Amino acid sequence: AQSVTQLDSQVPVFEEAPVELRCNYSSSVSVYLFWYVQYPNQGLQLLLKYLSGSTLVKGINGFEAEFNKSQTSFHLRKPSVHISDTAEYFCAVSEPTGNQFYFGTGTSLTVIP
Amino acid sequence: DAGVIQSPRHEVTEMGQEVTLRCKPISGHDYLFWYRQTMMRGLELLIYFNNNVPIDDSGMPEDRFSAKMPNASFSTLKIQPSEPRDSAVYFCASSPQGKSNQPQHFGDGTRLSIL
Repeated sequence: AQSVTQLDSQVPVFEEAPVELRCNYSSSVSVYLFWYVQYPNQGLQLLLKYLSGSTLVKGINGFEAEFNKSQTSFHLRKPSVHISDTAEYFCAVSEPTGNQFYFGTGTSLTVIP
Repeated sequence: DAGVIQSPRHEVTEMGQEVTLRCKPISGHDYLFWYRQTMMRGLELLIYFNNNVPIDDSGMPEDRFSAKMPNASFSTLKIQPSEPRDSAVYFCASSPQGKSNQPQHFGDGTRLSIL
């Protein structure tokens, strides 16, 4: 089973500043990688996914993530955050041979006006 | 297209009572997942189904929890008897074909409070 680590449980950042949310996973085998966002009182919504190909993946709302196989990381970035980006962000990993997703514990992003 | 629909959105009940959570997956999705989210444990997979058949229920905390999927458009998660430590947000998710490269689609969750 995969282990997904989101080291930062809370990230405060000022509006229009850049942000990086970190995600590391345990296995070096081939994986699929996802970032989800959860707004208050809502379910998880897909931000972006990496399946194969280019290691830089662009998602919705101006977010992007970079897959780094050697470091087993999939960090999420946005060059300029908005108040509306305040939410919980989850990194998830799945393996081609399985059906399960393995979720990190989440990072709470708070954008300060 | 309608997303995953869960009901109720909120449930408050006294310990010892039976609780039933409901989920309608996205039409055509073959896989259905039940998760529990708490501050302490984060997002935990409880059970998942493929074509209405339970595949892995190793995440179900104990015998008080049971889940069924009588048809492709409906699933229930039941807790009997309920306890205060069951208080959490319960999510249902579905995915097409269940392949691991397909993202899971989540409902808005049921916020359960056991007094």
